[in-house]
Amino acid sequence: GAVVSQHPSRVICKSGTSVKIECRSLDFQATTMFWYRQFPKQSLMLMATSNEGSKATYEQGVEKDKFLINHASLTLSTLTVTSAHPEDSSFYICSANQGRYEQYFGPGTRLTVT
Amino acid sequence: AQSVTQPDIHITVSEGASLELRCNYSYGATPYLFWYVQSPGQGLQLLLKYFSGDTLVQGIKGFEAEFKRSQSSFNLRKPSVHWSDAAEYFCAESTLGGGSNYKLTFGKGTLLTVNP
Repeated sequence: GAVVSQHPSRVICKSGTSVKIECRSLDFQATTMFWYRQFPKQSLMLMATSNEGSKATYEQGVEKDKFLINHASLTLSTLTVTSAHPEDSSFYICSANQGRYEQYFGPGTRLTVT
Repeated sequence: AQSVTQPDIHITVSEGASLELRCNYSYGATPYLFWYVQSPGQGLQLLLKYFSGDTLVQGIKGFEAEFKRSQSSFNLRKPSVHWSDAAEYFCAESTLGGGSNYKLTFGKGTLLTVNP
């Protein structure tokens, strides 16, 4: 149980374009999902917390207009990187709450912006 | 601000040897603590968690962790390491974030290398 999927696993896009990453909880409903960014050999950095049916809460320093988050259902959240630039290249990981305190993680999405 | 400290950036052990990965937390009288493992290019897998009760918790893959309030520690242990245990290990604490959501604060991680 508690399986979270992400799609795509890898994406390459050109600078200036937008890319959407999906995060799904496959066998449970998640009222809260989280989006993280991870740089090579570093820990996870929380970008935002999204609650189903409401606006996401962004961490300090994360641009809301650049990283659009939508959590339209209890099993799906999406992250759209708008007008992507090479510095946005990173490993993006989502997670979903099961219970109040613990999170289950997706396998991650490797974004490369050329 | 709350923080989770993993003092060891990189640990190397021989296969079959015992392992202890250190973790110290700084927040809360009743912490909610986790250990996750990450293989290269993968997401995080939950090894074990501590919320309350018995201070020695058992997890998957033969791992265990002991919560010590007096030392603000939650160290991960395994009696005999297997080559497949080579990975990055993250300690995390669930803390109250914006609104009523609990969020995870991660340590910087410990990279485990296993020698044959």
